[in-house]
Amino acid sequence: DGGITQSPKYLFRKEGQNVTLSCEQNLNHDAMYWYRQDPGQGLRLIYYSQIVNDFQKGDIAEGYSVSREKKESFPLTVTSAQKNPTAFYLCASSIGTGARAQETQYFGPGTRLLVL
Amino acid sequence: KNQVEQSPQSLIILEGKNCTLQCNYTVSPFSNLRWYKQDTGRGPVSLTIMTFSENTKSNGRYTATLDADTKQSSLHITASQLSDSASYICVVSGTGTASKLTFGTGTRLQVTL
Repeated sequence: DGGITQSPKYLFRKEGQNVTLSCEQNLNHDAMYWYRQDPGQGLRLIYYSQIVNDFQKGDIAEGYSVSREKKESFPLTVTSAQKNPTAFYLCASSIGTGARAQETQYFGPGTRLLVL
Repeated sequence: KNQVEQSPQSLIILEGKNCTLQCNYTVSPFSNLRWYKQDTGRGPVSLTIMTFSENTKSNGRYTATLDADTKQSSLHITASQLSDSASYICVVSGTGTASKLTFGTGTRLQVTL
C-alpha cells in the first residue's frame, strides 16, 4: 500500500520543548516537503528537500529544522524558537525531476500540533 | 507579489445540486494550475491539473476550467454528494522567477440533505 504516512496524528508541546514530527513515504519520490496550514491562510512552505542529504529553507523556516538521511524519511523538528507553533503540519512528496513547481505533490494525512 | 484568491470563502448547498468555485491568480509567468480537495483533518488530494494550453479538464463529477488570459479558473461540481463536503484549494505554479507553488486559502463546501 503506497503512500505517505505522518505521525503522530496529534502532538502536544510544552513551552520550551522541541518536538519532532515524522514523515515517511514509500512512493520512491526524491523530493519531500513540509508545509504549515493555519485557519484562513494558504499552505506555507517550511522546508523542502530535492535529494538525500540536501534540503532548502522555504518561506517560513525560522524555528524549524529538518534532516534527510534517508530517501523515505523527512522528519521536521519544531524548536522552542518557534513561538507560535500551533498549526496543522502537512508533509508532501513528488517525483523530483528538479522542476518542483511543475510536479504534482502527494500529501500525507497531517499532524496537528497543539501547545499546552 | 504572486497571489491566489478563491471565492466564495464558504458555501452550503443541497445534495444533488451543482456548484461552481472560483479562483483568480496573479502568478506570472504561469505554468500550471491545480485543484485539490481536502477533507477535514486530512491532507489535500489532487483533482485536476491544467497547463497554459488547456482550458478544461474533468475528473468524474468535477470539471475545472482555465482562462489564462484573464487569469481565472473555476471548479464545477455536478450532482453534489455528501462526500463532496470538504475544502477545495486552488494552487498555481509559475516558471522562471515565479517557479514556486502559490496556494489559495480554499473554499469550504458543505453539502446537506
